[in-house]
Amino acid sequence: DTGVSQDPRHKITKRGQNVTFRCDPISEHNRLYWYRQTLGQGPEFLTYFQNEAQLEKSRLLSDRFSAERPKGSFSTLEIQRTEQGDSAMYLCASSPILPDTQYFGPGTRLTVL
Amino acid sequence: AQSVTQLGSHVSVSEGALVLLRCNYSSSVPPYLFWYVQYPNQGLQLLLKYTSAATLVKGINGFEAEFKKSETSFHLTKPSAHMSDAAEYFCAVSAPSQGGSEKLVFGKGTKLTVNP
Repeated sequence: DTGVSQDPRHKITKRGQNVTFRCDPISEHNRLYWYRQTLGQGPEFLTYFQNEAQLEKSRLLSDRFSAERPKGSFSTLEIQRTEQGDSAMYLCASSPILPDTQYFGPGTRLTVL
Repeated sequence: AQSVTQLGSHVSVSEGALVLLRCNYSSSVPPYLFWYVQYPNQGLQLLLKYTSAATLVKGINGFEAEFKKSETSFHLTKPSAHMSDAAEYFCAVSAPSQGGSEKLVFGKGTKLTVNP
């Protein structure tokens, strides 16, 4: 069990640029989640995959955001035309098929200048 | 809808003193409840969870929490604080949804400071 990994750990970009983050879940976990955490707040749910199917999206996930999980393994989160309000920590979590503990990765900290 | 309220955004204790971090929840169904800890610039680590078994739950690093349905509370305690306990602590409730995600709804967190 190598845990959930995320890449990159830090990303600095200019407003208007596109960014993509990657998450590798624990290998046997079918469920994958993305959360966003802004300064001084708890994480907020963005989207959920079961295997390769994206089954739930938050209203926080504007049309500039897109997430994929091809082949039900790793996942990517892309933000197009970044805005300063997108600056946050983006956290990925995975869990086994039976709903239970979600295991979190170290996060990707995005700074939009 | 599920929600979590953490009373006290900052808690300060002396090393060796009791740690008490408060969490109240609202849930339309029997809840699953979690406490996570976050160290600076890191992800979240599970401390303990309540999933409708014993109401007193023991976790890692000497932490425990008691589920009290009548008070809708799930407070986190540790008898004796260590310097290494300084971190931010988040209480969360699992929220059922149409998509079947069992997503977590988090409180705003409590930052624990431990003074020597």
